[in-house]
Amino acid sequence: NAGVTQTPKFQVLKTGQSMTLQCAQDMNHEYMSWYRQDPGMGLRLIHYSVGAGITDQGEVPNGYNVSRSTTEDFPLRLLSAAPSQTSVYFCASRLDGYSNQPQHFGDGTRLSIL
Amino acid sequence: ILNVEQSPQSLHVQEGDSTNFTCSFPSSNFYALHWYRWETAKSPEALFVMTLNGDEKKKGRISATLNTKEGYSYLYIKGSQPEDSATYLCAFFYGGSQGNLIFGKGTKLSVKP
Repeated sequence: NAGVTQTPKFQVLKTGQSMTLQCAQDMNHEYMSWYRQDPGMGLRLIHYSVGAGITDQGEVPNGYNVSRSTTEDFPLRLLSAAPSQTSVYFCASRLDGYSNQPQHFGDGTRLSIL
Repeated sequence: ILNVEQSPQSLHVQEGDSTNFTCSFPSSNFYALHWYRWETAKSPEALFVMTLNGDEKKKGRISATLNTKEGYSYLYIKGSQPEDSATYLCAFFYGGSQGNLIFGKGTKLSVKP
């Protein structure tokens, strides 16, 4: 069982470039989300989705877009990369939006913006 | 602004020591409190999801308690082993019945053999 798969694991971009971080899960989870991890801070929610076709903003959505065309996939797009977006990004999923379900995390994408 | 505080920030113990750390969260509109274990170079893994005041959960040598009225949870590790070295995250569920998690900054535990 693959769980939550993120690609790529590492990426270096130049300021102004765009890219998409991929996230896929094979557990038929309704809820998916993206977090960023920065030194000295907790995981911060960027965007989330409670099902295919439904997305919403989290705590730090600026500079990022998401879409959820299928249950399995939840890509995160950086439209015009900025050095402030240098971070480690984690995708997570859980069975549904309810509070009693544990979240499953991908292995993370380490992104550097020069 | 919702705030989830974890203390201490880091902890160094000897193998065999028992230890505990704290997660503080808002005491109103409580739905659930999650604990995750995060080893270096890996992804966070769920330990417990706690939903009821007075809940006690146990997994091997790790256990957790919950007090929703005063807004805190304790995580205990009995007889720490080097493989317990990790960052332990707690996360408060907010936003209604289908909401999101707000994470604390974690407690980093190092267990020396």
